[in-house]
Amino acid sequence: ELKVEQNPLFLSMQEGKNYTIYCNYSTTSDRLYWYRQDPGKSLESLFVLLSNGAVKQEGRLMASLDTKARLSTLHITAAVHDLSATYFCAVAYFTGNQFYFGTGTSLTVIP
Amino acid sequence: AAGVIQSPRHLIKEKRETATLKCYPIPRHDTVYWYQQGPGQDPQFLISFYEKMQSDKGSIPDRFSAQQFSDYHSELNMSSLELGDSALYFCASSSGTVRAGELFFGEGSRLTVL
Repeated sequence: ELKVEQNPLFLSMQEGKNYTIYCNYSTTSDRLYWYRQDPGKSLESLFVLLSNGAVKQEGRLMASLDTKARLSTLHITAAVHDLSATYFCAVAYFTGNQFYFGTGTSLTVIP
Repeated sequence: AAGVIQSPRHLIKEKRETATLKCYPIPRHDTVYWYQQGPGQDPQFLISFYEKMQSDKGSIPDRFSAQQFSDYHSELNMSSLELGDSALYFCASSSGTVRAGELFFGEGSRLTVL
């Protein structure tokens, strides 16, 4: 069974702190995506990771992919309140035509 | 840039009624995906179409059906609505299948079943 798990599910952090969100998936894939979702809103694409060792950075967010460990990380540097949202990772597999979403991490940045 | 257009944005129905959601993909995108997201949950895959043919199927109830038309827009038809169908329904599109590129999501259609 294909599974995509994130941890933590809930994260409350103070402004200025660093933290990492983890995304583990159960079956080999070289395509992993990170999305941001604000309450009641659409899913906004953050990063597209298409190979082992891929690292992408945008502002205070950095994502990486280790296909051998089946692990992706989303690192938050010096968090600010505007980063408060739910973050999802999603994996595409060789078979089928869908994205498998992780469980989501609800991030709250406290001023 | 043009995005994925979904309509209606909000829909309120009674139990056992029927609802139709529409999705217009980004121009030149040939693949459409439907996801259902309940409150506080991750998006659940329903169904996808590539070049007007069903390309994958997820946890879509038998009461639901969908198709992709010649202009690549897609419609999700939901019948005998139940309270549990209340959710945010997202459509996404891509150029090619998931092996080719990322998904771009619409703003969603919020269905409330009373």
